[in-house]
Amino acid sequence: KQEVTQIPAALSVPEGENLVLNCSFTDSAIYNLQWFRQDPGKGLTSLLLIQSSQREQTSGRLNASLDKSSGRSTLYIAASQPGDSATYLCAVWSGGGADGLTFGKGTHLIIQP
Amino acid sequence: GAVVSQHPSWVICKSGTSVKIECRSLDFQATTMFWYRQFPKQSLMLMATSNEGSKATYEQGVEKDKFLINHASLTLSTLTVTSAHPEDSSFYICSASLTGRIGELFFGEGSRLTVL
Repeated sequence: KQEVTQIPAALSVPEGENLVLNCSFTDSAIYNLQWFRQDPGKGLTSLLLIQSSQREQTSGRLNASLDKSSGRSTLYIAASQPGDSATYLCAVWSGGGADGLTFGKGTHLIIQP
Repeated sequence: GAVVSQHPSWVICKSGTSVKIECRSLDFQATTMFWYRQFPKQSLMLMATSNEGSKATYEQGVEKDKFLINHASLTLSTLTVTSAHPEDSSFYICSASLTGRIGELFFGEGSRLTVL
């Protein structure tokens, strides 16, 4: 059974710092990995989707990498801003139906002004 | 594009009553939608897959008579929590795939249910 772990569970850093969020998964046989952002009491916003054949994806100040063989992904946030404060969720799709999509518990990020 | 909308965003009800939550795909047709439940500081747990024009598929441990799902059109799925109890209080989120690929889902804003 696929398991997704996100470290750290919570992170608080001053504005302007670059930071890295980590995601690991136990079964490397995945089709893709997706990073989401969730604001308090809100749904999920897709940030980056990395297909299994890709190594990384970039969008603005965000860069996500994927090392499928080692079961790891990182989300790099450059020049953090208070507006980046949210919970970041990692999810891997192992195929099949929606039951093949496994989420981590997320990293709760606070950017201090 | 690919906007999924939920209504209501929050609802408070008395124990024993039923509550309906709507999930709409605003700018695309979704033959399949998915309902998740999320407890505080926990990951999303898939409850059921909602199929347009047919019965929903429920995950193990989810009571189908408790959580009624109807997917009457290509843009609307509803989740009805019947005879709600305080333990049903949770954050419910729906999602749909624009491309038909499960691994590329777009999520609604979520609905916070509080049962008194």
